[in-house]
Amino acid sequence: GEDVEQSLFLSVREGDSSVINCTYTDSSSTYLYWYKQEPGAGLQLLTYIFSNMDMKQDQRLTVLLNKKDKHLSLRIADTQTGDSAIYFCAETSNTGGFKTIFGAGTRLFVKA
Amino acid sequence: DGGITQSPKYLFRKEGQNVTLSCEQNLNHDAMYWYRQDPGQGLRLIYYSQIVNDFQKGDIAEGYSVSREKKESFPLTVTSAQKNPTAFYLCASSVVETGTGELFFGEGSRLTVL
Repeated sequence: GEDVEQSLFLSVREGDSSVINCTYTDSSSTYLYWYKQEPGAGLQLLTYIFSNMDMKQDQRLTVLLNKKDKHLSLRIADTQTGDSAIYFCAETSNTGGFKTIFGAGTRLFVKA
Repeated sequence: DGGITQSPKYLFRKEGQNVTLSCEQNLNHDAMYWYRQDPGQGLRLIYYSQIVNDFQKGDIAEGYSVSREKKESFPLTVTSAQKNPTAFYLCASSVVETGTGELFFGEGSRLTVL
């Protein structure tokens, strides 16, 4: 089946940039997403990118998509302690409706 | 405010008991979903429904059951047949025909089997 993979942990210092990487296998992906989960809470959509784009910027967030290598990354500039959370990469394709496949999540630790 | 409400937030159950988790949404979304979250495994789809009175099994439906009698409600029953039910359960909803497929999540229900 389709798969999304991402590393489980990332630690950065406050003020540095964080880069979270993700690879996926579904060549028919339509949308790719980054969701954020605070401790003990649900997920919230952080940003998304359509598959025909290669970059999207939204304030401190930059999403890069390399469709050839099926690689997605999320860069958080000027990382703050409030950015500490789990970040999930996810994708969906046009086939079978909106069935979203999630990665295992990357836990971001921000050191003051 | 529109959103998804899950209850209870914490639930303890003895082995052999069924338990039902509630999920209600006032976003007027057609599609609703149940995910299970285990540490280091991400989210796995249990069941989903794209219209009232219809639902489909996800990747790990065994030991679970759902109903979709109203558009706003999608309760999940964890039955005694589920071998390892201790987990964090997340309900979500989305628009079906248009949009980006964004999922809107509730705050989750943590089930612990004693």
